[in-house]
Amino acid sequence: NAGVTQTPKFRILKIGQSMTLQCTQDMNHNYMYWYRQDPGMGLKLIYYSVGAGITDKGEVPNGYNVSRSTTEDFPLRLELAAPSQTSVYFCASSQSGQARETQYFGPGTRLLVL
Amino acid sequence: AQSVTQLDSQVPVFEEAPVELRCNYSSSVSVYLFWYVQYPNQGLQLLLKYLSGSTLVESINGFEAEFNKSQTSFHLRKPSVHISDTAEYFCAVSEIQGAQKLVFGQGTRLTINP
Repeated sequence: NAGVTQTPKFRILKIGQSMTLQCTQDMNHNYMYWYRQDPGMGLKLIYYSVGAGITDKGEVPNGYNVSRSTTEDFPLRLELAAPSQTSVYFCASSQSGQARETQYFGPGTRLLVL
Repeated sequence: AQSVTQLDSQVPVFEEAPVELRCNYSSSVSVYLFWYVQYPNQGLQLLLKYLSGSTLVESINGFEAEFNKSQTSFHLRKPSVHISDTAEYFCAVSEIQGAQKLVFGQGTRLTINP
């Protein structure tokens, strides 16, 4: 079973370019999350979704957009890449979003903006 | 709002030695506590969590953590580490009420030397 998959694994962008980070889960989880991990820092929540068609902002949403058209997919879009968006991006999912639940993480996408 | 502080960014130890990774948190409300582990080139995975009951929780691979409410700590320990424990360890908290929004510490990189 694949769990949470992310593509691409690594990408270099020029300032001002756009791209979409893909995330797919095969566990039929309702909740999905996007985090960024900067060097020496903990993960910070960018956006999350409680189900298809419903998304909400996390702690650091500026410069990003998301959509959730299906239960399985939760893409993250960068419209105008900036050097400050250089980071490792993790997608995660959980069944019902309850505070006690375990989140399941993908392997991450490393993004470098030059 | 919650915050999590991991007091050591890096911890080098010799194989078969004991280790303690420290985690302190701040919150005005009750929280659940988690330790996640990130092995090289992988996403995060749950190591253990404290929800209620006994303040000592254990993982399947020999780690344990103790919830200390008075000191607002959730330190992670293992009496004898192995090379395979080399990873980055993240402490996280989530408010008990409402949907889960994990707040992560900065991470501790555990390096096991032979």
